[in-house]
Amino acid sequence: GEDVEQSLFLSVREGDSSVINCTYTDSSSTYLYWYKQEPGAGLQLLTYIFSNMDMKQDQRLTVLLNKKDKHLSLRIADTQTGDSAIYFCAEIYSGGGADGLTFGKGTHLIIQP
Amino acid sequence: EPEVTQTPSHQVTQMGQEVILRCVPISNHLYFYWYRQILGQKVEFLVSFYNNEISEKSEIFDDQFSVERPDGSNFTLKIRSTKLEDSAMYFCASNQGANQPQHFGDGTRLSIL
Repeated sequence: GEDVEQSLFLSVREGDSSVINCTYTDSSSTYLYWYKQEPGAGLQLLTYIFSNMDMKQDQRLTVLLNKKDKHLSLRIADTQTGDSAIYFCAEIYSGGGADGLTFGKGTHLIIQP
Repeated sequence: EPEVTQTPSHQVTQMGQEVILRCVPISNHLYFYWYRQILGQKVEFLVSFYNNEISEKSEIFDDQFSVERPDGSNFTLKIRSTKLEDSAMYFCASNQGANQPQHFGDGTRLSIL
């Protein structure tokens, strides 16, 4: 079945860029997503990319997709303490039905002052 | 901004009892989903629902589970004869179309004693 893998932890200094990486196995993935989860909260949609795109930028967020290597990354520029959270990578193959997302285990982003 | 709302935020139930988790999807959304996250594990897809019937379901969604849209706003997940291993965070999500991003609620933490 499909699988999505992420590193469990990433520690960066405040003001630096954070790069969170994700690999997936399903070559027929249609969309790839990044969700953010703060303590005690739900999954907040951050951004997503369609599989025929290489890059998407949205303010401080840059998503890069390497479809050949099945590698997705999320870059957060000028990381702030408010960015401290768990970041989940997820993929979906939209075959026409209401398919479910396949999630990674999440990367804990730790911000050092 | 419209939100998916889930109640209760925390549910404690004795093993063997039935439990109903409630969700109010975003009002103009047509597709509804349930996911669960056992502590320390990935967020897993359970079931999707469209046009008053189940669209897709995972292997986890066995006869113990059922979903219902009892009225124009609520979407419920019923778990019959709960087991200890049903303890998890349950997330509801919705989207406008099957290819649109899924928006999540804050989850219900289910604790089975």
